[in-house]
Amino acid sequence: QLQLQESGPGLVKPSETLSLTCTVSGGSISSSNYYWGWIRQPPGKGLEWIGSIYYSGSTYYNPSLKSRVTISVNTSKNQFSLKLSSVTAADTAVYYCARRVACSTTRCYFDYWGQGTLVTVSS
Amino acid sequence: QSALTQEASVSGTVGQKVTLSCTGNSNNIGSYAVGWYQQISHGAPKTVMFGNSLPSGIPDRFSGSKSGTTASLTISGLQPEDEADYYCSTWDYSVSAVVFGGGTKLTVL
Repeated sequence: QLQLQESGPGLVKPSETLSLTCTVSGGSISSSNYYWGWIRQPPGKGLEWIGSIYYSGSTYYNPSLKSRVTISVNTSKNQFSLKLSSVTAADTAVYYCARRVACSTTRCYFDYWGQGTLVTVSS
Repeated sequence: QSALTQEASVSGTVGQKVTLSCTGNSNNIGSYAVGWYQQISHGAPKTVMFGNSLPSGIPDRFSGSKSGTTASLTISGLQPEDEADYYCSTWDYSVSAVVFGGGTKLTVL
């Protein structure tokens, strides 16, 4: 059974960089046809896609966050990571990592999710 | 504002059939399959439908369909444990991004 687990600081100061890591167990991050992504949910609000990465390193980012986001992958550790720079209080959210099936006319969905981790931006 | 439009809230009684909708355009729902996610009490989302297929372990009272640029999630025989927030998502090729709906709060009366 594939499992994903987020880790990283729960408190980040304004203007600093938020850094999270997702560790994948029970399967390989190098599997073809899957993307590894980050989704966040501010308190009381809906889900927002941040970006995804393929094991080869190809990335896709939310256009509204692209200038501040970097997603990277470490296949030897079976991990992928998120960096979000210049954070403000608006970046306070629960951050989820998830695996996404490569999209097509018949399949396009996240099939495995981490439990989520709350990151608060505050001084 | 979300790229995909969902009802803010839907309610139904136990045993009733309810349908949640997710409306997009030709760049997203019109071109790709849609995933549906259930989130109970702000826990981690759980996938309940992809396209018109059920993930393992999801009861068959859940079903999915799509017509043009609108996807639907139907729950037949509504149960108290179905009360949750439901989100839809797909890929949008015009912006090369995953897009989510704003979510529907389903209340079981």
